[in-house]
Amino acid sequence: DQQVKQNSPSLSVQEGRISILNCDYTNSMFDYFLWYKKYPAEGPTFLISISSIKDKNEDGRFTVFLNKSAKHLSLHIVPSQPGDSAVYFCAATLTGTASKLTFGTGTRLQVTL
Amino acid sequence: DTEVTQTPKHLVMGMTNKKSLKCEQHMGHRAMYWYKQKAKKPPELMFVYSYEKLSINESVPSRFSPECPNSSLLNLHLHALQPEDSALYLCASSQVPGLAPGNEQYFGPGTRLTVT
Repeated sequence: DQQVKQNSPSLSVQEGRISILNCDYTNSMFDYFLWYKKYPAEGPTFLISISSIKDKNEDGRFTVFLNKSAKHLSLHIVPSQPGDSAVYFCAATLTGTASKLTFGTGTRLQVTL
Repeated sequence: DTEVTQTPKHLVMGMTNKKSLKCEQHMGHRAMYWYKQKAKKPPELMFVYSYEKLSINESVPSRFSPECPNSSLLNLHLHALQPEDSALYLCASSQVPGLAPGNEQYFGPGTRLTVT
């Protein structure tokens, strides 16, 4: 039972354009959502997060949008840069001392010149 | 220092071998995690240590034995593994147990394990 889904395994975007990565979840109890970026041969790196009390969080070129009614979140990268090429994992959790991350399957983003 | 280190980077072991994976962090974090990641799959949680005590075991087979000797160090002892245990093993840490804004998990680069 995949509670967090990223339906696009890969995405190719031109440098300077917007990259939009999507994530859907099924567990309505999730209240905290995160995006991690992973380069080959490295561990996932925390990128940006959003609490369920918000519908948008922005950090520089990265913005995460949350639509609770649709159980959908998205990561926008503007403008996209070649160094953004990586695998992006969406993750979700119910906050608390025993909470644990549930990851999506990942989307491989390639930013072309 | 926001780094989680893992050794070795690569490990090849036979099914009868005993080996250990090591994870270290010097951020003063009091929660540490082991994850397993198979190719083209998301990381899956195996164990959580909270204040050096095992708090979550995700029904992991006993051939994987975690150990937390102190607040900076986390080991994963491996014995009698199967070829299907070949995967990337990731260690992570967070300031305190649980997940909440400001208490994100920091991951190490992983150990690529191959069981022959």
